Amino acid sequence: KNQVEQSPQSLIILEGKNCTLQCNYTVSPFSNLRWYKQDTGRGPVSLTIMTFSENTKSNGRYTATLDADTKQSSLHITASQLSDSASYICVVSHRDDKIIFGKGTRLHILP
Amino acid sequence: ETGVTQSPTHLIKTRGQQVTLRCSSQSGHNTVSWYQQALGQGPQFIFQYYREEENGRGNFPPRFSGLQFPNYSSELNVNALELDDSALYLCASSDGLAGVNEQFFGPGTRLTVL
Repeated sequence: KNQVEQSPQSLIILEGKNCTLQCNYTVSPFSNLRWYKQDTGRGPVSLTIMTFSENTKSNGRYTATLDADTKQSSLHITASQLSDSASYICVVSHRDDKIIFGKGTRLHILP
Repeated sequence: ETGVTQSPTHLIKTRGQQVTLRCSSQSGHNTVSWYQQALGQGPQFIFQYYREEENGRGNFPPRFSGLQFPNYSSELNVNALELDDSALYLCASSDGLAGVNEQFFGPGTRLTVL
């Protein structure tokens, strides 16, 4: 069954600290993996998109990694800011155009 | 801002009623996908419209239906509303099929069914 699992479910860190969010998937055959940031009550905003051949991609303080062999991805946030408080959703596309969303990790940044 | 707009922003309906949600895609995009997001959950794929034709459908009953117009804007219709239909409804547009092209999401419509 094609699934996307994210961990942790929620995370609280202090402003300025780094954190890493995890995504494991069983989607096969794989097309691409995306990370989105979703503020409460708003639509998701794309952070990174990676295909099978890419194993890292950065967008400012956000760096995503992909290990297609182990079917794992991570999103690393450096020097967190209060505005990073949001849900982070991992999304994996199947090669036949199905898109599977994870449930997200809820990140809280404390001052 | 992504350029994708949705209306209305909030809506309250009662069980059994019908609702129509609207989405205007980003300029140049020919594909619109609709998602249902329950509180605390990830979005669930409802269906995708590519060049005015339905192209892919998730595990939703037939009372969820849609349309895409020649200008690529789209509607989501839900008949015989149930309490569990209460959710944030998101639309996303892309230039081509969503699985291989970047999607841009609208702000969503919050539907409450009483």
